[in-house]
Amino acid sequence: KQEVTQIPAALSVPEGENLVLNCSFTDSAIYNLQWFRQDPGKGLTSLLLIQSSQREQTSGRLNASLDKSSGRSTLYIAASQPGDSATYLCAGSSGAGSYQLTFGKGTKLSVIP
Amino acid sequence: EPEVTQTPSHQVTQMGQEVILRCVPISNHLYFYWYRQILGQKVEFLVSFYNNEISEKSEIFDDQFSVERPDGSNFTLKIRSTKLEDSAMYFCASSERYGGRLGETQYFGPGTRLLVL
Repeated sequence: KQEVTQIPAALSVPEGENLVLNCSFTDSAIYNLQWFRQDPGKGLTSLLLIQSSQREQTSGRLNASLDKSSGRSTLYIAASQPGDSATYLCAGSSGAGSYQLTFGKGTKLSVIP
Repeated sequence: EPEVTQTPSHQVTQMGQEVILRCVPISNHLYFYWYRQILGQKVEFLVSFYNNEISEKSEIFDDQFSVERPDGSNFTLKIRSTKLEDSAMYFCASSERYGGRLGETQYFGPGTRLLVL
């Protein structure tokens, strides 16, 4: 059964800093690794999806990488802004007939102006 | 941009009452999902639905829960007799194709916050 862990639980950085959020998973047979953003009391906004055959995906200031052999994914945010403050969740699907995404608990990011 | 919508945004109910949470998936999507997030905890998968059938469900999705696609646009989650521990944010999601397919994104709605008193 897939387990997803995100460390740290919270991170505070000054505006303009580049930062990395970490996600680790136990089942290397992962099919898709999806990164989400969640604002307080709100829904989940999909940021990036990396397929198991890919090593990274980029969207604007965001870059996500996937290393199946080590069971890790990272989300890199360049030139952070106060508007990036949110909780970032990673979630993996294992394919093989399974539909579900297994989520980590998230990293709460605060970008200080 | 198309999005998943959910109603109501908040629902308060008494323990033992039935609740129906409603979702309108993205129009050309064929696979639908419910997840829930208890306050302070991880988002958890409940059920997936395709072609008018449940395709996968978790241990949480017991006989108190049911899902239905009553028409061509809505997707509902019914909780028959609510318990205090059902209090959570419930998210609906949809995907164009099979959610376990390589590269298939699941798109989430804004959620319904359910409070059981």
